[in-house]
Amino acid sequence: QQQVKQSPQSLIVQKGGISIINCAYENTAFDYFPWYQQFPGKGPALLIAIRPDVSEKKEGRFTISFNKSAKQFSLHIMDSQPGDSATYFCAASGMGGFKTIFGAGTRLFVKA
Amino acid sequence: DAGITQSPRHKVTETGTPVTLRCHQTENHRYMYWYRQDPGHGLRLIHYSYGVKDTDKGEVSDGYSVSRSKTEDFLLTLESATSSQTSVYFCATGASKVSDTQYFGPGTRLTVL
Repeated sequence: QQQVKQSPQSLIVQKGGISIINCAYENTAFDYFPWYQQFPGKGPALLIAIRPDVSEKKEGRFTISFNKSAKQFSLHIMDSQPGDSATYFCAASGMGGFKTIFGAGTRLFVKA
Repeated sequence: DAGITQSPRHKVTETGTPVTLRCHQTENHRYMYWYRQDPGHGLRLIHYSYGVKDTDKGEVSDGYSVSRSKTEDFLLTLESATSSQTSVYFCATGASKVSDTQYFGPGTRLTVL
């Protein structure tokens, strides 16, 4: 019940295309869903996050879509750029505890 | 990186030796975390701290211990390193409770031979 399942494991997208990464969770107590971006040799950094009271959040080219009934959320990267090539982690956490549960990560490569 | 440093950044050690990794933060964040990152597993929580001298176990705590004697420092100790503990270790901090951003350090790459 504590898992967050992330797919795909890796993704190759053409420059200018849309990158889509999906995550699913089981624990309905989760109430915070961040996405982290990690470049090689660096620590993860928050990219965008959503709470379940909204179905979508957009920041620039990055959008989170959230489906509470399906317990799924996804990251869309519009107009993908080579600089977006990184590993992306979805995560989930809840007010009942101190822990954040991370997905296994998606390695994105944007071809120029 | 929200003022988080980790030391050492790289370490090679032998099986059976004790190893201590240090995380130092300048943000005065209350919460601190140690994760390990392995291919196919994402980030897995080892231990966390919710205040000075207040720590608790994460999902992969066996073989690890932690200590936090000051707000700014969180130490991770491998009592007797094993090859299965070869990994990249990340420290993270958080200002408030779990439903908030975590700020990660640059990581420590540990190799146990």
